[in-house]
Amino acid sequence: GIQVEQSPPDLILQEGANSTLRCNFSDSVNNLQWFHQNPWGQLINLFYIPSGTKQNGRLSATTVATERYSLLYISSSQTTDSGVYFCAVTNDYKLSFGAGTTVTVRA
Amino acid sequence: DAGVIQSPRHEVTEMGQEVTLRCKPISGHNSLFWYRQTMMRGLELLIYFNNNVPIDDSGMPEDRFSAKMPNASFSTLKIQPSEPRDSAVYFCASIQGFEQFFGPGTRLTVL
Repeated sequence: GIQVEQSPPDLILQEGANSTLRCNFSDSVNNLQWFHQNPWGQLINLFYIPSGTKQNGRLSATTVATERYSLLYISSSQTTDSGVYFCAVTNDYKLSFGAGTTVTVRA
Repeated sequence: DAGVIQSPRHEVTEMGQEVTLRCKPISGHNSLFWYRQTMMRGLELLIYFNNNVPIDDSGMPEDRFSAKMPNASFSTLKIQPSEPRDSAVYFCASIQGFEQFFGPGTRLTVL
């Protein structure tokens, strides 16, 4: 399967700070998704972004498919942003997940 | 739409008992996935259905696990007999185009 590396593994932020999470993958993909797993364990879809740039409120994402990486930007972080952020990719149907970035936002 | 629905949300059972997890995909989605999440192994794909037909069950850990999709709106994952190492969160997901949508998961604890 496709190898997915996420960095950093852990991130501690003060409320209001901005941050960038990175996802590198080892092969061309037709699907890349970012998920937020909240403290209750639910996997929330953030972005479907195999290429290009998208924005949704304080979150935005950019995927450079030719260079095999994606970035997730969190601006003006809030405590509700805490949780684990996963990047997942595939070139067929089988999503390969990264190990995640654990984000802790402190008030 | 209510999203992907899973039941039960929590299940505690004793070793040797049969466990059945249920999933209702999003209406109109023709593919369904069962995943398992553990601290040690992260998220693993167990089985993938397309148009109610199992396409890839290579992730099913052993014969104790079985999955069915009798129609487009319902799937089950059964473990018989259950073992403590089966304790995990089991997610169901359905797909529209290429984007997968996950249910809330079932947290299974086998004592």
